[in-house]
Amino acid sequence: EVQLVQSGAEVKQPGESLKISCKGSGYSFTIYRIGWVRQMPGKGLEWMGIIYPGDSDTRYSPSFQGQVTISADKSTSTAYLQWSSLKASDTAMYYCARQGFGELFDYWGQGTLVTVSS
Amino acid sequence: QSALTQPPSASGSPGQSVTISCTGTSSDVGAYNSVSWYQQHPGKAPKLMIYEVSKRPSGVPDRFSGSKSGNTASLTVSGLQAEDEADYYCSSYAGSNSLVFGGGTKLTVL
Repeated sequence: EVQLVQSGAEVKQPGESLKISCKGSGYSFTIYRIGWVRQMPGKGLEWMGIIYPGDSDTRYSPSFQGQVTISADKSTSTAYLQWSSLKASDTAMYYCARQGFGELFDYWGQGTLVTVSS
Repeated sequence: QSALTQPPSASGSPGQSVTISCTGTSSDVGAYNSVSWYQQHPGKAPKLMIYEVSKRPSGVPDRFSGSKSGNTASLTVSGLQAEDEADYYCSSYAGSNSLVFGGGTKLTVL
């Protein structure tokens, strides 16, 4: 069974760093891209970027380029999303999702809620 | 890379059909047959309902169908049921390994 399990909710202060994770299981982690999607409170889905774990090739939405870093560790079948300096506007639910063959997300993680508040 | 345009809301009575539109440009929806639709219930992760414009993943009822004409894709839900009430999002490939989502449509079953 394909599963993506994300790390737990986080509460951080502005300026702090954060790295959240997404662990894949039940499939060959290195041959499917993993994407990250932001959903701000009460708002829609936003594509942040994607990584191919096989060679760590990464693409970012222009809206998120330079704001976050996406990475992956093949040895643990885990993808990551990290911030070096959080802002209040980063408060959102973040989903990871597997990109199936084609431009579609066929499996999703349960989401990680990130709250940034002083 | 602007968001695709969806109507904020749609509604229908049980048993009726409703169609949700998703308008992009000649650089995304119009350029590729890579439009997907996702259903999201409150507090839940999105679920893939349609991919490659009109294909249904295993387990998705055939009441859900998709189509595309030019820069606009559409999702039709036939025989509306109470459990279809949810938010629906379209997405399209936009080139260079990038995707773009629509703003979402809240479907209400009256």
